[in-house]
Amino acid sequence: DIVMTQGALPNPVPSGESASITCQSSKSLLHSNGKTYLNWYLQRPGQSPQLLIYWMSTRASGVSDRFSGSGSGTDFTLKISSVEAEDVGVYYCQQFLEYPRTFGGGTKLELK
Amino acid sequence: EIQLQESGPGLVKPSQSLSLTCSVTGYTITSGYDWSWIRKFPGNKMEWMGYISYSGSTNYNPSLKSRISITRDTSKNQFFLQLNSVTTEDTATYYCARLFPGDWGQGVMVTVSS
Repeated sequence: DIVMTQGALPNPVPSGESASITCQSSKSLLHSNGKTYLNWYLQRPGQSPQLLIYWMSTRASGVSDRFSGSGSGTDFTLKISSVEAEDVGVYYCQQFLEYPRTFGGGTKLELK
Repeated sequence: EIQLQESGPGLVKPSQSLSLTCSVTGYTITSGYDWSWIRKFPGNKMEWMGYISYSGSTNYNPSLKSRISITRDTSKNQFFLQLNSVTTEDTATYYCARLFPGDWGQGVMVTVSS
């Protein structure tokens, strides 16, 4: 299985500051078609996960442009510019290159 | 607008089977996509359990392969999860989802306890 490893945030994050969440995969998620098979989700307290980013850097429909995804084949970053109260929750990266689909362990964002 | 809704018992005894239903509205499950079950354990760990495709084929997480079954009732636009021989380690919140383009149910908490 592809292992996904997420970094922690130096919580709490001051409102209005930027925050970067890292994710590393045990295998390159770059497909021969040029796409990187990496998703980012946010699970707000009491809610189900929401897809934020797919193909490593494409924002899902309705997602704020304060969220951006970047990376290489194995190292990825989700950047949140100007953190707001609605950004609080747990962020997950997930690979969809291979089965079984696997998730990172989650990164909690708390607001100061 | 598509909606997914999980239903099923919130408490299951060890060694018994866990059975959940996902009811889908706003989209016909035979029209496309894979229809997945995912669970989130106490803490943050998330596990993809498996899916049933729009054509009826299935794909399961090997960690569960001997215990899991995902089926569907196309007449009711529902799909189902059955997990056999549960233990306390199966205590989790269970979600049904269309992982892409990113539609999830609200989740149902299932506790395995005698």
